[in-house]
Amino acid sequence: DAGITQSPRHKVTETGTPVTLRCHQTENHRYMYWYRQDPGHGLRLIHYSYGVKDTDKGEVSDGYSVSRSKTEDFLLTLESATSSQTSVYFCAIQGTENNEQFFGPGTRLTVL
Amino acid sequence: GENVEQHPSTLSVQEGDSAVIKCTYSDSASNYFPWYKQELGKRPQLIIDIRSNVGEKKDQRIAVTLNKTAKHFSLHITETQPEDSAVYFCAASKDDYKLSFGAGTTVTVRA
Repeated sequence: DAGITQSPRHKVTETGTPVTLRCHQTENHRYMYWYRQDPGHGLRLIHYSYGVKDTDKGEVSDGYSVSRSKTEDFLLTLESATSSQTSVYFCAIQGTENNEQFFGPGTRLTVL
Repeated sequence: GENVEQHPSTLSVQEGDSAVIKCTYSDSASNYFPWYKQELGKRPQLIIDIRSNVGEKKDQRIAVTLNKTAKHFSLHITETQPEDSAVYFCAASKDDYKLSFGAGTTVTVRA
């Protein structure tokens, strides 16, 4: 599993509340990613990081922010959650051998 | 940005038959094309990938072909087995880092 964990694994929250999801890796990989998965859309990139404090936007970044203050942790924040952000969120890291992306176990977020 | 289209969205095959999933991409600069398999309730996992300097790649019962001119690539699964039932995603990237995924194909293998 490439040493990737996500927390929480499940969360139910209300519209307008802030939410932070955590991705933690143990193998010192430089690149980390946040995706959301919705039926009919596959996986869509939200934000990614290429080093500590180095982040950039993906294709669906509106309403999301990220931070990476340590190599091992990549945080995704929904400043004010909306029902359209109900989704399954996957974190991924980039391996060094083949540049393969390894995914974390996912976080199921429900915004009521 | 890159647009990846994947067909069909669902595929039902008899055990032992072959399954083929096709993807097209829009950005001619894309050079890396991975395929992921996601079992129900699990994380996506890479099953095979191909780069633009190769036309075909095989790994046991799965193979991927790439046609750069037509900008499409395909996944072929031969001798399908019940454990091949899953959702399959194709993806494309021009820098190995930012992947653009297709919408997925749900494959069901009938016993």
